[in-house]
Amino acid sequence: GIQVEQSPPDLILQEGANSTLRCNFSDSVNNLQWFHQNPWGQLINLFYIPSGTKQNGRLSATTVATERYSLLYISSSQTTDSGVYFCAVFFYNQGGKLIFGQGTELSVKP
Amino acid sequence: DAGITQSPRYKITETGRQVTLMCHQTWSHSYMFWYRQDLGHGLRLIYYSAAADITDKGEVPDGYVVSRSKTENFPLTLESATRSQTSVYFCASSDGGAIWETQYFGPGTRLLVL
Repeated sequence: GIQVEQSPPDLILQEGANSTLRCNFSDSVNNLQWFHQNPWGQLINLFYIPSGTKQNGRLSATTVATERYSLLYISSSQTTDSGVYFCAVFFYNQGGKLIFGQGTELSVKP
Repeated sequence: DAGITQSPRYKITETGRQVTLMCHQTWSHSYMFWYRQDLGHGLRLIYYSAAADITDKGEVPDGYVVSRSKTENFPLTLESATRSQTSVYFCASSDGGAIWETQYFGPGTRLLVL
């Protein structure tokens, strides 16, 4: 069936460290988005990236649609980066569904 | 410039009662969505709407009703609340011409059904 898998499920970093989060998906996609859910529960859109590479400050994302994965890079991590990172995907054959992965919970320690 | 807002932010109700969660967006986005977030299930789509008076079911629509008489509002009604509907509910809207464009989320409503 349709799957969106994220790894690792959780990650603990020291402030200033870099990290890579991965999202694998099982079929061709219209859309892939990365979200950050902060400790107060707010979902913040980070990237809309069905293919290619984008950068926004210390964050960047790369999606290789032909190989069905996306990576989110966080450089020089800060405590405010803590929270859960979700990738979410629209599959061509799934109508209106934006399907979310289970998330990577990131904790950045000072 | 409020963007997308939800009300109430917190709600406690009893089994069998009707509850309506409100969602309002100021961007005039065409698409609007309702999700629920539960431990172990992540975020799942309940209903979505492509425009005023156009709605469609998502992954978990049972027990919910939506309407969209105006572009900016997309209320979600639980006609007879059950304990299994205890969850965090998120409304979202999309700014593109297609349903798969970037989605922006409201702050969420935490609902407890006793």
